[in-house]
Amino acid sequence: NAGVTQTPKFRVLKTGQSMTLLCAQDMNHEYMYWYRQDPGMGLRLIHYSVGEGTTAKGEVPDGYNVSRLKKQNFLLGLESAAPSQTSVYFCASSPRTSLFFGEGSRLTVL
Amino acid sequence: AQSVTQLDSQVPVFEEAPVELRCNYSSSVSVYLFWYVQYPNQGLQLLLKYLSGSTLVKGINGFEAEFNKSQTSFHLRKPSVHISDTAEYFCAVSDLEGGSEKLVFGKGTKLTVNP
Repeated sequence: NAGVTQTPKFRVLKTGQSMTLLCAQDMNHEYMYWYRQDPGMGLRLIHYSVGEGTTAKGEVPDGYNVSRLKKQNFLLGLESAAPSQTSVYFCASSPRTSLFFGEGSRLTVL
Repeated sequence: AQSVTQLDSQVPVFEEAPVELRCNYSSSVSVYLFWYVQYPNQGLQLLLKYLSGSTLVKGINGFEAEFNKSQTSFHLRKPSVHISDTAEYFCAVSDLEGGSEKLVFGKGTKLTVNP
């Protein structure tokens, strides 16, 4: 069982470059989320989706965009990466309450 | 906006000792409460959750937590810890009126179990 799969797992970017993180879930969950984790900050919600074709802003949405064109996929985009976006990014999916997490994507912006 | 406070950022204990990781939340409305564990270089796994019913919730790996509405707390306990319990633990809350699809996480407590 794959569960929640994130790609890529590691990426190094230069300031100003763009990239997309892909999250795929095979559990037919309606809800999907992108969090970022920084030391001493816990997890902060970037964007989330309550169903195919819908997205909503979380706590720290600036500098990120998302799309949910298919129920099983949730994409997180950085149009112009900044060093402040160096972080570990976690995707999660949920049938309603409990979240199921991917293993994370470590992004470094130089 | 609701918030979660984990009162201890680091908790060192010896193997086989009891441990309590403290969590308080700000919301005064009905809530769902969760504890997640994160082992090094991994994602988060659900330890236990409180949705309704009994205020004492049992989870995996021998952990349990007690929901105390009057104190807005959801402390995590284990009577005897193992080296393998070394990890970071996160408390999370979602409020039913604000949209239970969103979880707010605390900043985490690093539990280190020493031999």
